[in-house]
Amino acid sequence: DTGVSQNPRHKITKRGQNVTFRCDPISEHNRLYWYRQTLGQGPEFLTYFQNEAQLEKSRLLSDRFSAERPKGSFSTLEIQRTEQGDSAMYLCASTLGAASGPQETQYFGPGTRLLVL
Amino acid sequence: AQSVTQLDSHVSVSEGTPVLLRCNYSSSYSPSLFWYVQHPNKGLQLLLKYTSAATLVKGINGFEAEFKKSETSFHLTKPSAHMSDAAEYFCIPVGSQGNLIFGKGTKLSVKP
Repeated sequence: DTGVSQNPRHKITKRGQNVTFRCDPISEHNRLYWYRQTLGQGPEFLTYFQNEAQLEKSRLLSDRFSAERPKGSFSTLEIQRTEQGDSAMYLCASTLGAASGPQETQYFGPGTRLLVL
Repeated sequence: AQSVTQLDSHVSVSEGTPVLLRCNYSSSYSPSLFWYVQHPNKGLQLLLKYTSAATLVKGINGFEAEFKKSETSFHLTKPSAHMSDAAEYFCIPVGSQGNLIFGKGTKLSVKP
């Protein structure tokens, strides 16, 4: 399967702990997006990378959140000092994006479901 | 900024009857618009996209959508619903960074 993969698929943690999620995009895709989806809502944009550069961060991304894409391939999203409000599905998507023309299809991974107790 | 309104939070149809999921956009220019589907416990999947090449867009699984500038609409239709179509559907514009701007979506239920 050469789609977008995410690990782990599920994570249960206690409040205050740190968690890290990984996203492996489709291999030739240069753009990678992170979204968060809470119950009953549509996904919300968090941040995105063009190759290894993080180009945009949403206001939703507090300073407890950090994302990296060190070699322009896989990406990690870390949440420090987790809070119950961080409980959500974290989605990753990748696309082959040009510098302009953002109409390319985004391919989504299955998501990582986080539960903070 | 682009935005869309999905007029129905929940649509229920019987199997074999037509499906209409409504979407109106708000933009001063022709936007890029996508319809994505999210099945329970599955990832988001692209159904179809409008990028100004053609106003009638055909997607996967028998779905299509027509971009109507005069009505600022991009409604999703399917002639005959199948049980497997039950899912959440999102009409989505594209943000300035290429990010997808999701709303709450429309939940489609299909009755046997």
